[in-house]
Amino acid sequence: NAGVTQTPKFRVLKTGQSMTLLCAQDMNHEYMYWYRQDPGMGLRLIHYSVGEGTTAKGEVPDGYNVSRLKKQNFLLGLESAAPSQTSVYFCASKKRGGEETQYFGPGTRLLVL
Amino acid sequence: GDSVTQMEGPVTLSEEAFLTINCTYTATGYPSLFWYVQYPGEGLQLLLKATKADDKGSNKGFEATYRKETTSFHLEKGSVQVSDSAVYFCALSDPTGYSTLTFGKGTMLLVSP
Repeated sequence: NAGVTQTPKFRVLKTGQSMTLLCAQDMNHEYMYWYRQDPGMGLRLIHYSVGEGTTAKGEVPDGYNVSRLKKQNFLLGLESAAPSQTSVYFCASKKRGGEETQYFGPGTRLLVL
Repeated sequence: GDSVTQMEGPVTLSEEAFLTINCTYTATGYPSLFWYVQYPGEGLQLLLKATKADDKGSNKGFEATYRKETTSFHLEKGSVQVSDSAVYFCALSDPTGYSTLTFGKGTMLLVSP
């Protein structure tokens, strides 16, 4: 069991470039989440998904898009990166109902110059 | 909206000292409460949780009690070790929604030998 994995681990972008972050989980979880972590800010929810083909906005969704075409994958896209999107991005997943625990991936560190 | 406030760090302690990290919350309804830990360069791991008032979560010598009357979930450990050095996040989850997490800003703990 790999749990939650994230690709890539680290990336440097120039302002205006686009990229996609991939999150994959092998626990058959229905719910998946994308958070960003910034110094002194804790983690903030960007987008989440409660099932294949469904997505919803979180606290800080602007500048990001997401897709959940397969149950095990949740993609986070940046269409035109900005320096303000320099952050560490964490993906998490959770089983629907009952157990409340979210399981986190190792993170992707993104630097936008 | 929901919010979590935790004490600012860093908290610096000597090995075997007693640890308290304060956490208070504001939420509608009856949230579940969590402590997550982040070791340097890693993702978040669930440390402990409590799902209803007066529940005590415990793990690896850490404890926290869900106090509804004071809206608090303070983290304690009787004798810290150098290996406990990490960032600790208090969080809440609304079980009536899609269990999105609201995090505090995190508290860094540094334990010296």
